[in-house]
Amino acid sequence: EVQLVETGGGLIQPGGSLRLSCTASGITVSSTYMNWVRQAPGKGLEWVSVLYTAGNTYYTDSVKGRFTISRDNSKNTLYLQMSSLRAEDTAVYYCASGYCNGGSCFPTWFDRWGQGALVTVSS
Amino acid sequence: EIVLTQSPATLSLSPGERATLSCRASQSVSSYLAWYQQKPGQAPRLLIYDASNRATGIPARFSGSGSGTDFTLTISSLEPEDFAVYYCQQRSNWPPVTFGQGTRLEIK
Repeated sequence: EVQLVETGGGLIQPGGSLRLSCTASGITVSSTYMNWVRQAPGKGLEWVSVLYTAGNTYYTDSVKGRFTISRDNSKNTLYLQMSSLRAEDTAVYYCASGYCNGGSCFPTWFDRWGQGALVTVSS
Repeated sequence: EIVLTQSPATLSLSPGERATLSCRASQSVSSYLAWYQQKPGQAPRLLIYDASNRATGIPARFSGSGSGTDFTLTISSLEPEDFAVYYCQQRSNWPPVTFGQGTRLEIK
């Protein structure tokens, strides 16, 4: 069974930094497209970033230069390093794997999701 | 950035009825559109990808249609567990991937 578990959320002051982790079981992070998607309280979904199996990374404009997606293959864990945090970054952050069906995999159809980690940016 | 507009914002129906949810894109996304279901306190669940393909394990009562700018998610006969918020999402012109604002399907 695939399981994704996010940790590292919490309350952080504006301008601060935080690192989220997403530990996977049942899938291999290095062999799977992995994403971060966030949801502000009571709001809709917003894609944040994707890490390809080949190492390519992509970000939504509002986090470029502030957030970095990465992985540790030995720990089968995905990360999101967040810096220069703003109030508008307050959200539940989900990690989500790309969808694979047969021999085809799609980086940004979001298949398996974690339970989410709440990040609150406030003074 | 492609904007997805979902309608209606809220849909009130009874179990057993047919639900039709719409998603309109600000420009063509071809067939690169997906639908997700989200229940309170839970992560979203992928239902449909590439406009009309059911994801693994999704019941046949869920179907998707459309291409270009206009898309529909149909639930043929509502079950009690289908009442939730539904989001559409495009991956045609990205980054960024974008989502619609959601349609809340509530029990009448």
